[in-house]
Amino acid sequence: QSALTQPASVSGSPGQSIAISCTGSSSDVGAYNYVSWYQQHPGKAPKFIIYDVSTRPSGVSDRFSGSKSGNTASLTISGLQTEDEADYYCISHTGTGTYVFGTGTKVTVL
Amino acid sequence: EVQLVESGGGSIQPGGSLRLSCAASGFNFRNYWMHWVRQTPGKGLVWVSRINPDGTYTSYADSVKGRFTISRDNAKDTLYLQINSLRDEDTAVYYCTKDLSGGVDYWGQGTLVTVSS
Repeated sequence: QSALTQPASVSGSPGQSIAISCTGSSSDVGAYNYVSWYQQHPGKAPKFIIYDVSTRPSGVSDRFSGSKSGNTASLTISGLQTEDEADYYCISHTGTGTYVFGTGTKVTVL
Repeated sequence: EVQLVESGGGSIQPGGSLRLSCAASGFNFRNYWMHWVRQTPGKGLVWVSRINPDGTYTSYADSVKGRFTISRDNAKDTLYLQINSLRDEDTAVYYCTKDLSGGVDYWGQGTLVTVSS
């Protein structure tokens, strides 16, 4: 159950678009369309922003979008805003009844 | 409004035991899979365990298998995590979370477990 691989940090200027990758294997990310994404601000509980690879829950900004290709899922944040500065995590079902999170990515708005 | 409220955390010596609870409200608890997730202070999220709606199926991360037990009481809308043989590396904030389609959606605010001699 090794953690999914995410870049440690990604940065961008306000208004730009950034992408965060989440790389797993053919046993988890590549096997199922069950990847979710979470945003976590310091000292707060995570908030879910994407599920089933690309579905946005009600109330989540359409600046957040998800996709998947092979064993890698991606979260794109368009029109970057200062409030997007946070940690972001992916999670995938593994097919053995377990789940695995990504290593986490710190997004910095320059 | 969905609410998940954890309790039961605290400071405990290595080798000790603890039972965490999570009171759920705002949704039909007995119809949903539930999970526990933990986060070491300053570190990433780690999936710990999940349980099916009637409590007959459970699964665990390898790092806690044999020491942690997830359970639920649908009459009380409460989720539990029994933690035995605590180790230093179990120090973390433990979150109760509600299942959604291959992941989790709602999270509690977490309860801190500190393992220290």
